Amino acid sequence: NAGVTQTPKFQVLKTGQSMTLQCAQDMNHEYMSWYRQDPGMGLRLIHYSVGAGITDQGEVPNGYNVSRSTTEDFPLRLLSAAPSQTSVYFCASSYSLRVGGYTFGSGTRLTVV
Amino acid sequence: QQQVKQSPQSLIVQKGGIPIINCAYENTAFDYFPWYQQFPGKGPALLIAIRPDVSEKKEGRFTISFNKSAKQFSLHIMDSQPGDSATYFCAAIGGTSYGKLTFGQGTILTVHP
Repeated sequence: NAGVTQTPKFQVLKTGQSMTLQCAQDMNHEYMSWYRQDPGMGLRLIHYSVGAGITDQGEVPNGYNVSRSTTEDFPLRLLSAAPSQTSVYFCASSYSLRVGGYTFGSGTRLTVV
Repeated sequence: QQQVKQSPQSLIVQKGGIPIINCAYENTAFDYFPWYQQFPGKGPALLIAIRPDVSEKKEGRFTISFNKSAKQFSLHIMDSQPGDSATYFCAAIGGTSYGKLTFGQGTILTVHP
C-alpha cells in the first residue's frame, strides 16, 4: 500500500492564481480530511468527507473547495490564492477515527506571494 | 473558537524527565480523545487514545490521564528520551459531526541528552 499520497510536495503561487492539491489513498478508507498547519495554530480542519459524494466544512473552509467523486481521491482546490493561505497542508484518511485514527500524508508546503 | 485548548506551546526537559502536556475541551459530546505525534517534515501519527469512561491509559512510556468532570486530559511521557523530541497534538471527536477530528494547538517537546 502507498498509504496517503499528496502532490505536489512544494508549490509557489502568485496571489490570485488557482490550483488543486491532490490527495489519493489506496486503503479504501471512507473518512478523509484536509488540514492546514501554521505555527502556534495547530492543525486546523478545512474540509472533511465521510464517504464518496459526502463532504462538509471544517473550521477554516473559506477560499477552499473540495469534492469526493471516488473513495480514493479527495482534491483540495484553492479558488484565488491569497498570502494568508501560505501554509503546510495535510491530507488524511481513516477507516475509523476511533480505531487506528487518521493516516496522514507527508504534506504540501504552499507559499503564496 | 478553539474547541480543544492545549498547553504549554513548548516544553524542554532533560533525558529521563517526565514532560506533561495538558488539554481542555468544552464540548461534552466529545467521546474519544487521541494524541498524535509529529516529527519534523512528517505528517502526524496516532500515538495513544482514550475514551471518557476511563481515567487513565498506558502504552509503554506514554500515559493519558483523563478528568471528565473537569473536561481535561493530559499526556505524560515517562523516562523521556531525545528520540521523543517532536510536536504533540491532542485531539477530540464526537457529537453530531462524527467525521470531524478537532486538534489542539500543539506542543513542541525538546528532550535534551
